[in-house]
Amino acid sequence: AQKVTQAQTEISVVEKEDVTLDCVYETRDTTYYLFWYKQPPSGELVFLIRRNSFDEQNEISGRYSWNFQKSTSSFNFTITASQVVDSAVYFCALSHNINAGNMLTFGGGTRLMVKP
Amino acid sequence: SQTIHQWPATLVQPVGSPLSLECTVEGTSNPNLYWYRQAAGRGLQLLFYSVGIGQISSEVPQNLSASRPQDRQFILSSKKLLLSDSGFYLCAWSEGASGGRGTQYFGPGTRLLVL
Repeated sequence: AQKVTQAQTEISVVEKEDVTLDCVYETRDTTYYLFWYKQPPSGELVFLIRRNSFDEQNEISGRYSWNFQKSTSSFNFTITASQVVDSAVYFCALSHNINAGNMLTFGGGTRLMVKP
Repeated sequence: SQTIHQWPATLVQPVGSPLSLECTVEGTSNPNLYWYRQAAGRGLQLLFYSVGIGQISSEVPQNLSASRPQDRQFILSSKKLLLSDSGFYLCAWSEGASGGRGTQYFGPGTRLLVL
């Protein structure tokens, strides 16, 4: 069975601090994809990144970076020098394929509050 | 480029009334389509998904139903709303036949309040 755990339900930081959001997953699939989404107060989920299970290279995009470690089944997300606009709920997700429909299993989300 | 629309943006309905939420996707063909519900302060619950016209799979038994009358149109319906149907409804699409790698892209959502 697929499972995604985001143990941190809420994190509060002061602007310019670095913050890491944890994501641990369970799957029996040998090939899978991992995702991070951002949900700002407006509600729409915004896609941030997709990672292939065969590619463990860390990725950096501006202030965002992702650390994928297959050995520990983790896909953590770090925001460097956080800003108030980073305040949102962040979801980690894991893919699997059922009857030609590519499904995502979402974690419970981590609410990040960045205070000025 | 692809865009996904949902309407209405917000809806207040009395208990027992019918519901129809609509989702349309532009700029792609034969997408996979999904309906999710998010209760206040909670995670995402997959309600329905569709891999083609007229093909609907239900993930959670409830008083909601979904239909896909056209390739890029996905409708969520109910004959009689319950208080527990209140929530934020999100529609999403992904490239069809892409196996497990398909990124899902979400619409702006509909906030439903059942009174």
